[in-house]
Amino acid sequence: GAVVSQHPSRVICKSGTSVKIECRSLDFQATTMFWYRQFPKQSLMLMATSNEGSKATYEQGVEKDKFLINHASLTLSTLTVTSAHPEDSSFYICSARGDPQGDTQYFGPGTRLTVL
Amino acid sequence: RKEVEQDPGPFNVPEGATVAFNCTYSNSASQSFFWYRQDCRKEPKLLMSVYSSGNEDGRFTAQLNRASQYISLLIRDSKLSDSATYLCVVLGVTSGTYKYIFGTGTRLKVLA
Repeated sequence: GAVVSQHPSRVICKSGTSVKIECRSLDFQATTMFWYRQFPKQSLMLMATSNEGSKATYEQGVEKDKFLINHASLTLSTLTVTSAHPEDSSFYICSARGDPQGDTQYFGPGTRLTVL
Repeated sequence: RKEVEQDPGPFNVPEGATVAFNCTYSNSASQSFFWYRQDCRKEPKLLMSVYSSGNEDGRFTAQLNRASQYISLLIRDSKLSDSATYLCVVLGVTSGTYKYIFGTGTRLKVLA
């Protein structure tokens, strides 16, 4: 159980375009989803916490107008990188937590974004 | 000081060896602790949760020392397939929100 999918797994885009990444919990309802970014040889950095039906909470230093998060249902959250630039190239990983009181997060397989 | 600190390694060990990783955390109010494994260019996968009483899962043993604020992971009889980055993860609560704080990871390479 507890499977999280992400789509697309890999995307290459031109500078200035917007990219949407989907995160789905396949066999459970995710009350909270998290978006992380990982640069090469670095650890995962939390970008934002997304609760279904409410606005995402962004971490310090993460621009909410650049990284748009929508959590419209209990099984889907989307991250849109707007006006992407080469420095946005990274590995974006989502995770989901089903039980509001629970500790465990289940990670999606990640999306590798390359901005040319 | 980082909230969660790990020795980045790499640890190069022969097959069959026993290897131990430590991780320290700065927030004494941290709630839960985990070890995740991350293979190159893949997502982290939960290896085990860490309990105060210590816990074992096959060749893997995890320990938590709250007084000294460190967590350890011991791998016995290392296999080639154990080669990966091991992430120490601490769950904290900030402004009512549960957040995972990741260490930078410790890279392990098991050699034939």
